Amino acid sequence: EAGVAQSPRYKIIEKRQSVAFWCNPISGHATLYWYQQILGQGPKLLIQFQNNGVVDDSQLPKDRFSAERLKGVDSTLKIQPAKLEDSAVYLCASTQESGSYEQYFGPGTRLTVT
Amino acid sequence: GEDVEQSLFLSVREGDSSVINCTYTDSSSTYLYWYKQEPGAGLQLLTYIFSNMDMKQDQRLTVLLNKKDKHLSLRIADTQTGDSAIYFCAENRNRDDKIIFGKGTRLHILP
Repeated sequence: EAGVAQSPRYKIIEKRQSVAFWCNPISGHATLYWYQQILGQGPKLLIQFQNNGVVDDSQLPKDRFSAERLKGVDSTLKIQPAKLEDSAVYLCASTQESGSYEQYFGPGTRLTVT
Repeated sequence: GEDVEQSLFLSVREGDSSVINCTYTDSSSTYLYWYKQEPGAGLQLLTYIFSNMDMKQDQRLTVLLNKKDKHLSLRIADTQTGDSAIYFCAENRNRDDKIIFGKGTRLHILP
């Protein structure tokens, strides 16, 4: 079974630029999560999708962050414009259904904003 | 408190047991988890425990849960160099069904 795929693995941009991350969850997994992991901290949930609908985006900074999951499979997370404090690893995870005890994580995208 | 708390660092000699401790926030959390993160990798679920259990053993891993004190621990027997990683405690918080992670404990193995 292929795991959660993310790209790119690394990205360096200047502040005020835009960036997009891509995630392909495990086939058949209905629920998809985007987490932000700042260095030295645990992952923090940004947004949760159930199929192509948003379940929870309460911690997503909506003035600059956006995410979509068209067709309920792949997802993209965008930051526009980026700030220095957005430097972090962005992790995508998926589960078969909401509330499932096991989330499968991708390798993450490390973003550096200079 | 509102945060999942765990110590940041632990050094253990190879072959000894490692014990990583955690306190969580919600006494009604359904699941409690231990994740492992190796450098440059995502999080890997190591083990989990249901809130109605007080102990779970899986090969070299033993999880102890004290619901009264909201305390969770992970014991790794016969620690090996491959166990070197960051270990995250997490709870499935019942009130909003979110998974809340601690800041992680970096386990360093001494030769």
